[in-house]
Formats: sequence, C-alpha cells, structure tokens
Amino acid sequence: EVQLVESGGGLVQPGGSLRLSCAASGFTFSNSWMSWVRQAPGKGLEWVACIKQDETAKYYLDSVKGRFTISRDNAKNSLYLQMSSLRADDTAVYFCARGAGWWDYWGQGTLVTVSS
Amino acid sequence: QSALTQPASVSGSPGQSITISCTGTSSDVGGYNYVSWYQQHPGKAPKLLIYDVSNRPSGVSSRFSGSKSGNTASLTISGLQAEDEADYYCNSYTTSSTRYVFGTGTKVTVL
Repeated sequence: EVQLVESGGGLVQPGGSLRLSCAASGFTFSNSWMSWVRQAPGKGLEWVACIKQDETAKYYLDSVKGRFTISRDNAKNSLYLQMSSLRADDTAVYFCARGAGWWDYWGQGTLVTVSS
Repeated sequence: QSALTQPASVSGSPGQSITISCTGTSSDVGGYNYVSWYQQHPGKAPKLLIYDVSNRPSGVSSRFSGSKSGNTASLTISGLQAEDEADYYCNSYTTSSTRYVFGTGTKVTVL
C-alpha cells in the first residue's frame, strides 16, 4: 500500500523557517518525481514545487522561488521542503504528492501557520 | 499565472449527469494534453480522477470522464451519486514560469 506521511508543520513567526518532511512507502520512491502542493484555509489547491528522481531538475512556484528548497533522500525514501522567510500568505496545509503534472498519491498534509 | 477558471458551484440530482468546465489559455489547457482532475472531500487529501485530459486511473469509477476542446477542459460525472458531493479541481501544465496551475475549484452539490 502506498503511503505518504508528512511531518514538520507548526506555528512559526513571519520571517522564520521550517522544514517539512514526507516519508514514502509502498512504491519505488527513487523512480518517482515528487511534489509539494499546498492549500490555504478555505482556499483552493496550489502547486508549490517538484523534484526529479535524481534531483537534477527542480521547479518552483514563482512566489516561493528563493525562499523554499525542495530536496529528497532516496536512501531514506524521504522528500523535504525547506521553507525560509515565511510570510502570512504561506499559511496552508502542505501536501506531499507523487508525480509531477498529475499526482496519483497524496499524503494527508501538514499544517503550517505563519503568525506572530 | 492566474488560476484556471472553473464555475464556483454545480449541482444536480441523483442519477443526472453534470459537467464542470476548466478554462485556460493556449499556454496551458489549449496547448497541451496535460490536464488532470481531482476530487476533494472536506478535510481529506485530493484524489486523482483523470490525467492527460481523458485517462482514468485504475480504480476510478467509469462515471467520471474528461475531455477538452480548445482552451477548455471538462469533467463529466454521470449517474450522480450522493458520494460525489465534493470539491473538484482541474490542473494543467503551463508554459509560464509557474509550470503547473490549478483551477479555482468547483463545489458539486447533489440535490
């Protein structure tokens, strides 16, 4: 059974940093593009970033470029999102999802709240 | 890159068919066959319904079908059921620097 489990969310002050993790199981992680997608409270879905299997390609939403970094550890079957210079409009549930372009498996999400 | 345009809400009675539109431009929906659709129940993760405009993943009901004409993609739900009441989102690849863009979302109500 495919499982994606996010962790690392929480309350952070504006300008602060946070690192999200996603533990994957049930499929060959090293063969899959992976992505982060977020959803602000009461709002729609927004793609954030994706990463190729070997980390040779990474793509980002314009508004997070230079502030967020996506990475992965294939030996640990884990995906990461390092977030810095956080702003109030980054407040959202962050989902880890398998794929890029279409996403067939999703985690349950982790809530990031940016507030003073 | 603005979000793709979807109707805010669509409703139908059990057994009816409904169609949700997703309008973009030639830089996204109209230019590529990389449109996908997702169903999301409250408090849950999205579920993939359709990929590459009209392909259905294994395990997804055949009541869900996708199509595209010009800059508008569509999701049709036939034989509407109570469990179909949810939010639906489209997504497309885009040549803008954003790369992938979701639709504004449509709330489906089963009357």
